[in-house]
Amino acid sequence: AQSVTQLGSHVSVSEGALVLLRCNYSSSVPPYLFWYVQYPNQGLQLLLKYTSAATLVKGINDFEAEFKKSETSFHLTKPSAHMSDAAEYFCAVRLSNDYKLSFGAGTTVTVRA
Amino acid sequence: DVKVTQSSRYLVKRTGEKVFLECVQDMDHENMFWYRQDPGLGLRLIYFSYDVKMKEKGDIPEGYSVSREKKERFSLILESASTNQTSMYLCASSLGSFAQDTQYFGPGTRLTVL
Repeated sequence: AQSVTQLGSHVSVSEGALVLLRCNYSSSVPPYLFWYVQYPNQGLQLLLKYTSAATLVKGINDFEAEFKKSETSFHLTKPSAHMSDAAEYFCAVRLSNDYKLSFGAGTTVTVRA
Repeated sequence: DVKVTQSSRYLVKRTGEKVFLECVQDMDHENMFWYRQDPGLGLRLIYFSYDVKMKEKGDIPEGYSVSREKKERFSLILESASTNQTSMYLCASSLGSFAQDTQYFGPGTRLTVL
């Protein structure tokens, strides 16, 4: 079974600063990896996904994530935070033979002016 | 754009009531999912369906059932609501059976059981 760990339930950044959200997974085989964002009072929206084509994945709103097999990580970054990035972010993993997405506990990002 | 809609944004029910949560997707997706979202726990899968009338239990199916009579509609049923079922419920759909398929989410239903 796979599991997902997001380090840090809350992250606070200044506007214009780097955003770094950490995600580690445990799986015996390389999984498919996803980052979703949830804005207040909304459902989840896909930011980006890793499907084994390239280890550096670019997503919407200038977010990107890098798959590192040796570290079993898929950390999410954005070079310059914007106030509109305040939201909850979820990392999720799925194996090739499974319908199920397993989600991390989520990281809430606040952006300081 | 894929659209997943849920019948209610907010719902308040009493303990012991039967509760129906409805989800509709408009993109002819094969798979549909019900999750519950609780602070600090992320999303946990309750049930999913990979075809009409087909369903499989997820991680936390106890106290819930589902119905999928039509491809576009997936219902979650709480047979006898309890206070520990107070939560945010999210429906999702995906195109097919490939693991890289994106799941598209509805806006959620915040259910309070008194």
